Amino acid sequence: AQSVSQHNHHVILSEAASLELGCNYSYGGTVNLFWYVQYPGQHLQLLLKYFSGDPLVKGIKGFEAEFIKSKFSFNLRKPSVQWSDTAEYFCAVSGGATNKLIFGTGTLLAVQP
Amino acid sequence: GAGVSQSPRYKVAKRGQDVALRCDPISGHVSLFWYQQALGQGPEFLTYFQNEAQLDKSGLPSDRFFAERPEGSVSTLKIQRTQQEDSAVYLCASSLRWTPGELFFGEGSRLTVL
Repeated sequence: AQSVSQHNHHVILSEAASLELGCNYSYGGTVNLFWYVQYPGQHLQLLLKYFSGDPLVKGIKGFEAEFIKSKFSFNLRKPSVQWSDTAEYFCAVSGGATNKLIFGTGTLLAVQP
Repeated sequence: GAGVSQSPRYKVAKRGQDVALRCDPISGHVSLFWYQQALGQGPEFLTYFQNEAQLDKSGLPSDRFFAERPEGSVSTLKIQRTQQEDSAVYLCASSLRWTPGELFFGEGSRLTVL
């Protein structure tokens, strides 16, 4: 069965610090990988996605993620966080042609000004 | 509106009551999903429709949960004889069929069962 693990449940950073959120997945076949973000009081929205090709994926607002197949990982990074990045971040995976997404438990990021 | 619309946003039910949660997806989106998000957890898949066909209901936790999408647009998630463990945010999402995983979420319906 597919599963997603996010190792950091709460992260607190100061503005301009670098960010890396861990995500590992378990799935035996071809996967599609995603990071979703939920800003306070808003709905979940797609941050970035990986389907195939270049394993380094760039998303909105300066975020990027790297797919490392050998490590079953898809970590999210940002070189310099801003206060407005305060949100909850969810890693998700879908397998093959299915639209069904399996989510991790989320990482709550708080950026202090 | 342009986004996924869910109603009610908040629902308080007494244990044993039936509830119905509505989802109005983005126009033209053939795929519709329901997820359940408990406090401090990620969204858990409940069920999936493609047009009016319910293709996957493997995530429905019990036979008290029922979802329908009779005309391939608006969907309703019904929970019969609610229990306290049903308290959660119920999220609806829609997508274009050819973009797997790119879901557009609504703001959710928060259900509290007393």
